[in-house]
Amino acid sequence: AQSVTQPDIHITVSEGASLELRCNYSYGATPYLFWYVQSPGQGLQLLLKYFSGDTLVQGIKGFEAEFKRSQSSFNLRKPSVHWSDAAEYFCAVGAKNYGQNFVFGPGTRLSVLP
Amino acid sequence: DVKVTQSSRYLVKRTGEKVFLECVQDMDHENMFWYRQDPGLGLRLIYFSYDVKMKEKGDIPEGYSVSREKKERFSLILESASTNQTSMYLCASSSPPFYGYTFGSGTRLTVV
Repeated sequence: AQSVTQPDIHITVSEGASLELRCNYSYGATPYLFWYVQSPGQGLQLLLKYFSGDTLVQGIKGFEAEFKRSQSSFNLRKPSVHWSDAAEYFCAVGAKNYGQNFVFGPGTRLSVLP
Repeated sequence: DVKVTQSSRYLVKRTGEKVFLECVQDMDHENMFWYRQDPGLGLRLIYFSYDVKMKEKGDIPEGYSVSREKKERFSLILESASTNQTSMYLCASSSPPFYGYTFGSGTRLTVV
């Protein structure tokens, strides 16, 4: 069965520090991969997506993610975190073979210290 | 940009009431989805629809139904609201090719 894991439930970093949020997936087909961000009380906003091609993808707000097929991972990174990045981050995985609905990870909550 | 609009940000309903949550998207997307989000449980798919008058059950359809009479509108119905349906409800839409979902801002429903 398809699954997505985000091993870190909660991460705290200092403002200006680098960030890496982990995402691992289990999927039977070629995956489409996404990262979403959710600010408190809001819906989810798409940060970036990977379909094919270059395994390092750039997104909005200075985020990037790298697809590593051998590790079944799609980790999200940012070189310097801003206080406004405090939010919950969701990794999601889909596959064309499974239609248009996909599986979300449980989320990682990011706190940023001043 | 695609906009997905959920009619209410906050709702308070009584146990046993019939509740309608409305979702409208303005970019002619074929696919629409309803999720609920609960702390520690993440997002769980309730129902989805790939076309007008079409619906498919997701992972947790019990106690819910949906209606899609027009392409742009996807309604979630709680037939008889219960306290365990207190949650954040998120609507999303997408369209082939598969570029991911666009989400609404969510409806926080409290059933008392």
